[in-house]
Amino acid sequence: AQSVTQPDIHITVSEGASLELRCNYSYGATPYLFWYVQSPGQGLQLLLKYFSGDTLVQGIKGFEAEFKRSQSSFNLRKPSVHWSDAAEYFCAVGAEGGSYIPTFGRGTSLIVHP
Amino acid sequence: DVKVTQSSRYLVKRTGEKVFLECVQDMDHENMFWYRQDPGLGLRLIYFSYDVKMKEKGDIPEGYSVSREKKERFSLILESASTNQTSMYLCASRSAGVGNSPLHFGNGTRLTVT
Repeated sequence: AQSVTQPDIHITVSEGASLELRCNYSYGATPYLFWYVQSPGQGLQLLLKYFSGDTLVQGIKGFEAEFKRSQSSFNLRKPSVHWSDAAEYFCAVGAEGGSYIPTFGRGTSLIVHP
Repeated sequence: DVKVTQSSRYLVKRTGEKVFLECVQDMDHENMFWYRQDPGLGLRLIYFSYDVKMKEKGDIPEGYSVSREKKERFSLILESASTNQTSMYLCASRSAGVGNSPLHFGNGTRLTVT
């Protein structure tokens, strides 16, 4: 069965600092991987996705993520965080074995200090 | 842009009431989903629907049912609401096909059962 682990429940960074949110997945074949962001009181919005090709994926709002098969990871990065990036971030995996129904991690809450 | 509309942002219901949560999407998507979001637990899948009149149980279907009579509408039903169903409910849709299609989410319905 597919699964996703986001090991960090909360991350606190200063505005302007770099950011890396961790995501590890469990699935044998190449999965479909997603990062979503949820601002307070909102639904989830897609930041980026990976399913094949270049392992470094660019997304919206200046985010990128790198797929590393050897580490079963798909970490999200941003070189300089803005106060408006404070939100909940979810990693998700969809795979053939799970009928491509995405499984979500528990989320990482990003706090940005001025 | 895809729009997924959940009819209520906030609902307060009493224990034992029958509750209907409505979700409508405007992009002719085949697949629709209901997730429940709780702090520290991330998103958990309640039910999904591949197409009209088709439904499949997710990870936590107990106490819930669904209805999909029209392609654009997917309803979640709490037959007899209980306090442990107090939660944020998120509806999502996506086009059918390969698993790299991302989900499009509504803004959620926060349900309180007293």
